[in-house]
Amino acid sequence: EIVMTQSPGTLSVSPGERATLSCRTSQSVSSNLAWYQQKPGQSPRLLIYGASTRATGIPARFSGSGSGTEFTLTISSLQSEDFAVYYCQRYDNWPTFGQGTKVEVK
Amino acid sequence: QVQLVESGGGVVQPGRSLRLSCAASGFSFSTYGMHWLRQAPGKGLEWVAVIWYDGSSEHYADPVRGRFIISRDNSKNTLYLQMNTLRPEDTAVYYCARDAGEDVLIADYFDYWGQGTQVTVSS
Repeated sequence: EIVMTQSPGTLSVSPGERATLSCRTSQSVSSNLAWYQQKPGQSPRLLIYGASTRATGIPARFSGSGSGTEFTLTISSLQSEDFAVYYCQRYDNWPTFGQGTKVEVK
Repeated sequence: QVQLVESGGGVVQPGRSLRLSCAASGFSFSTYGMHWLRQAPGKGLEWVAVIWYDGSSEHYADPVRGRFIISRDNSKNTLYLQMNTLRPEDTAVYYCARDAGEDVLIADYFDYWGQGTQVTVSS
């Protein structure tokens, strides 16, 4: 079973600053990795697929990188609407999610 | 626009059954794989089951295999989840989600989600 580990658990960032979120898998998933954003009381929203491709309508400040076992989601300049929980998900086999990173206001 | 609307959640005793529905609109339902996922209170996301675009194949996560059944009615643009022998650990918000694969392919990630329906298993 592939284990997915997101870090940090909580990231405190000021508006306008850059946020860097990490997702590691215990075995290679190639580029079969997606990122989602979930705000309180809302359903998740697809941000990134294929490790680095932005989904439709996602602002350019969101970018994904990595392949194999190490992946990064970067938010270049945090806006107020970006404070949320972010999940990575592998899809090389049955879908599995990381435990999430909460991005909060510093 | 794509819309997914879940219904059928509620409070149920352990060992009992419940059927969830997901009404889809705004896209060609019969050409997309569909999934159920869930999120326990204060916890992360967990994939539950997938069904192929034509209903010809279904797959389940280990915790629900043998108890839950995913199905679809393409004439009604509706996805279902029959949940049997419910346990307290099945308590969660249940989401239906569209598979992001196009033209009947299964991609196993999710481009549209419903708003979710709460299922609580408690005596």
